[in-house]
Amino acid sequence: EDKVVQSPLSLVVHEGDTVTLNCSYEVTNFRSLLWYKQEKKAPTFLFMLTSSGIEKKSGRLSSILDKKELFSILNITATQTGDSAVYLCAVEAPMDSNYQLIWGAGTKLIIKP
Amino acid sequence: NAGVMQNPRHLVRRRGQEARLRCSPMKGHSHVYWYRQLPEEGLKFMVYLQKENIIDESGMPKERFSAEFPKEGPSILRIQQVVRGDSAAYFCASSPSRMGYEQYFGPGTRLTVT
Repeated sequence: EDKVVQSPLSLVVHEGDTVTLNCSYEVTNFRSLLWYKQEKKAPTFLFMLTSSGIEKKSGRLSSILDKKELFSILNITATQTGDSAVYLCAVEAPMDSNYQLIWGAGTKLIIKP
Repeated sequence: NAGVMQNPRHLVRRRGQEARLRCSPMKGHSHVYWYRQLPEEGLKFMVYLQKENIIDESGMPKERFSAEFPKEGPSILRIQQVVRGDSAAYFCASSPSRMGYEQYFGPGTRLTVT
């Protein structure tokens, strides 16, 4: 059964700390891995990763994919209270030509001032 | 406890036809959210429903789109007279309460308009 597992489920740190969020997956037909930040309504797209070892960066956020070990990490440096959110990881894994996006449960990140 | 179910997983419609997408929330969840994802873009909120009520439809196009969540049965997202620009993945999420964080997403329906 295809699955995506995120860890930790929740994390509380202080402003300025660096955090690393993990996403591991087991899927039959991997196409891409996506990271989202969810604060209110719709999750906000952060990164799409398809190739191993290539770091994607956006400001203080960065992410990398390891297709051999089947995981991805999302790093946030110099955290700010505005980074508090649930971070979702999803894997695109088509099955029998059907579209399928498998979601992790999310990591709830709380940044304390 | 089964997760959020969506069907069909892939739907092909010709321009001008109607598309009906179904979402069965997790057991015990009475809040449903619909999102649309265009290629290379993030999820875009469309509508939030509770049983028999539309709570927030601020993200729904004013014409051709409608959603319902009846007392019995799944939530339905209906698109009338589909156009090519409607081609996208449509995701449904459910939650047990109004808290926005605790949403569980379904696997999505890919709508292709030919």
